[in-house]
Amino acid sequence: QKEVEQNSGPLSVPEGAIASLNCTYSDRVSQSFFWYRQYSGKSPELIMSIYSNGDKEDGRFTAQLNKASQYVSLLIRDSQPSDSATYLCAVSRSNFGNEKLTFGTGTRLTIIP
Amino acid sequence: EAQVTQNPRYLITVTGKKLTVTCSQNMNHEYMSWYRQDPGLGLRQIYYSMNVEVTDKGDVPEGYKVSRKEKRNFPLILESPSPNQTSLYFCASSPYGQYRGETQYFGPGTRLLVL
Repeated sequence: QKEVEQNSGPLSVPEGAIASLNCTYSDRVSQSFFWYRQYSGKSPELIMSIYSNGDKEDGRFTAQLNKASQYVSLLIRDSQPSDSATYLCAVSRSNFGNEKLTFGTGTRLTIIP
Repeated sequence: EAQVTQNPRYLITVTGKKLTVTCSQNMNHEYMSWYRQDPGLGLRQIYYSMNVEVTDKGDVPEGYKVSRKEKRNFPLILESPSPNQTSLYFCASSPYGQYRGETQYFGPGTRLLVL
């Protein structure tokens, strides 16, 4: 079993709709969870971090964490063509989130105009 | 401008020829890390360093060495490169211990081909 699993996609979503990206992890002691966005040929960039169960909202992005189910998700509301990218889920055992980081393989998202 | 720089950006080499990929950051960050990215395998951590002279293994350290003699630099060394080390390599840095949620700043990547 992979430590961090994501559906590789591609996930196609119409412009203006909600894109839902999912991630499961196997290490129960994981404390810190991150979503990175990576455009083709570019470096990853952090878009959301979450540490506690529940929802965390930042603009059009909402991260959801359920530690009991070992599940973290990212919702993108009002999807725009500029949201087309690969989204990487990352998990850390550290509360600071900056020690060993394990990434999923990423979900490729395409927003259809 | 705050940034992480990597050199070289592209490198073609042959099996067994030692090489070093440099990484430098100008943000006075304590934490630095190296990743490799491969199709279907995603981003995997090779080594990380939480401060000068403090390094630790990530998920795929075999065949790599690192050193952290200065805060700003974190070179990745391949003593005897092999074709399975052909990959896209990213260096990243972030402040550590200041507050939760600090981001990792990634360098532009180094594309390595080992023949």
